[in-house]
Amino acid sequence: ILNVEQSPQSLHVQEGDSTNFTCSFPSSNFYALHWYRWETAKSPEALFVMTLNGDEKKKGRISATLNTKEGYSYLYIKGSQPEDSATYLCAFGDNAGNMLTFGGGTRLMVKP
Amino acid sequence: EAQVTQNPRYLITVTGKKLTVTCSQNMNHEYMSWYRQDPGLGLRQIYYSMNVEVTDKGDVPEGYKVSRKEKRNFPLILESPSPNQTSLYFCASSSSPNTEAFFGQGTRLTVV
Repeated sequence: ILNVEQSPQSLHVQEGDSTNFTCSFPSSNFYALHWYRWETAKSPEALFVMTLNGDEKKKGRISATLNTKEGYSYLYIKGSQPEDSATYLCAFGDNAGNMLTFGGGTRLMVKP
Repeated sequence: EAQVTQNPRYLITVTGKKLTVTCSQNMNHEYMSWYRQDPGLGLRQIYYSMNVEVTDKGDVPEGYKVSRKEKRNFPLILESPSPNQTSLYFCASSSSPNTEAFFGQGTRLTVV
């Protein structure tokens, strides 16, 4: 079983704060790194899928970076809003290409 | 509308009583998978299917069976459920293992 770690486990911020969290994954046999947003009582929804070292992706106020050589990805949220409150999951895909291994998630709570 | 549909959404059953959770997708995806989510453990893959009649074990397959007789359907079967299978289950589909996954609404299973 591959080791995919996310930190912190939970995070409380005030509305308007910018925040970031980390996903660490094996640096060998890398194929893809996924980020998902999971709101309470809903299904996880894809934010980004990144495959190249140095990739940066952006969707509105959310962006992500990827370093495959050292095995980490950062997710940034600029100017957090209460509607950003959710659990953010990363998932590692290896080059055998058959499975995704998820991290434990970072639970973000944004206070108005 | 592109979607993954799971049924039932909620199920309470007794130990040993066989049950099936259905999953259907309308996106013509080849890859489908089942995950369970337990507090503090993130999403763990139970089984996956690369295509019709092609299935394989994920990280936690014990006590589960699957079948993939048609491309759109990927049912999860618990032949003899036990209390340690109480969990939140998600079905997901994607065009390949390392592309964006679409998740069903989740099935909350309680085995007493």
